[in-house]
Order: sequence, then C-alpha cells, then structure tokens
Amino acid sequence: KAGVTQTPRYLIKTRGQQVTLSCSPISGHRSVSWYQQTPGQGLQFLFEYFSETQRNKGNFPGRFSGRQFSNSRSEMNVSTLELGDSALYLCASSLGGRTSNEKLFFGSGTQLSVL
Amino acid sequence: GESVGLHLPTLSVQEGDNSIINCAYSNSASDYFIWYKQESGKGPQFIIDIRSNMDKRQGQRVTVLLNKTVKHLSLQIAATQPGDSAVYFCAEKGFQKLVFGTGTRLLVSP
Repeated sequence: KAGVTQTPRYLIKTRGQQVTLSCSPISGHRSVSWYQQTPGQGLQFLFEYFSETQRNKGNFPGRFSGRQFSNSRSEMNVSTLELGDSALYLCASSLGGRTSNEKLFFGSGTQLSVL
Repeated sequence: GESVGLHLPTLSVQEGDNSIINCAYSNSASDYFIWYKQESGKGPQFIIDIRSNMDKRQGQRVTVLLNKTVKHLSLQIAATQPGDSAVYFCAEKGFQKLVFGTGTRLLVSP
C-alpha cells in the first residue's frame, strides 16, 4: 500500500508570490491534515479536510488555505508569501472516523524556502 | 532536510543501552497519545500509541508509559541501535488534531 505522497519535495519562492502544495493520501483514507514544521515553533496544525470540507482549523492567517477533491487528494495554498513561511509542510492522512484514537500517517513533506 | 528545532534536548546513548525519552503534555482531557520518530528528510513515522485508560503499552523493543496524574509520557527503547537515531515527538490527540511536543533528539553511538 503506497504511503502519503507530497509534491513537490522542495520549493523556492520569493516574498509576495503564492504557492500550491499537493498531497495524495493513503488509499481509502478520507481525512487529510496539514501541519507546518519550523525550528522555532515545532509542528503546528494548519487544517483538516474530510469529504471535501474543512472540518478543523488551526490558528493561521487567511493567507493559508486548502481544499480537498472528491478522490481525497488535497492541496494547500499560501498567498502573499512571507519570509516566515519558510518551513517543512507536512500532510497526514487517516481514515477520518470521528474517534480520537485514529492514527495519522505522514508524508515526507514539502520544504518551502521563501527568499 | 532536517528542519526540527535547533535547541532540542538531546539524549546520547551507546548502542545496546536502553533509552528513555520523556514528554509532558498539556491537556488533561486528552485521551489518546502517540509517539512519532522523525529521521532527517522524512516526515514523522508512527511508533506506538496509548489510550488514556491504560498506563503502559509495549511494542517491539518499545514501551510507552503514561502517568495521567502528572501529565507525563515516556518512551522506552530497549537495546538502542544506531538506526534509532532520530528526533522523537510525543503528540496528544484532540478531535482530529495532533498537538506535538517539542521533540527530543536521540543520538546513538556505535
């Protein structure tokens, strides 16, 4: 069974640009969550999508957005990039059931550098 | 590449030793906890989990202990190997959202 796939692996952008990251979950998983990882803040929750709807959201500005398609693949978008957006963006998938003890499986991430 | 904290607590052990990594969590209402391992250039990898109605759970070479009174988790790795070198995170799970600890870097010397 293929794992969570994130593309691209690396991205370099300049301030003010926008970027789109892609995530393909494990087959059969309907929930996709996004996390930002930085040296200063660690792993921070961005948002979670289930059945094409945002089900949960972290404390990030509106420049960070996402969506999920009918095949459960997800994209996240960051507009008007700032230097502080440089981070490893991780996608995690799960079955999506409404129980707390459900494992999340992570992809290898997209390393975004904003110059 | 490596993008975890520059000031992570570090545990250095010799190959073959037992390792104990500790974690304090914040929410007394959390009922599910997970340990993840993150190697350089990779995403977090699931190691072991425990529900709040348990205080100990064992896997292959790993044991997780949960002390709800003091909101403390520990991960014990038996007979630590060089391949265990990584950053280890504990996470507490609220509804569909993981809250991660800051992580501990484990260095294993041959």
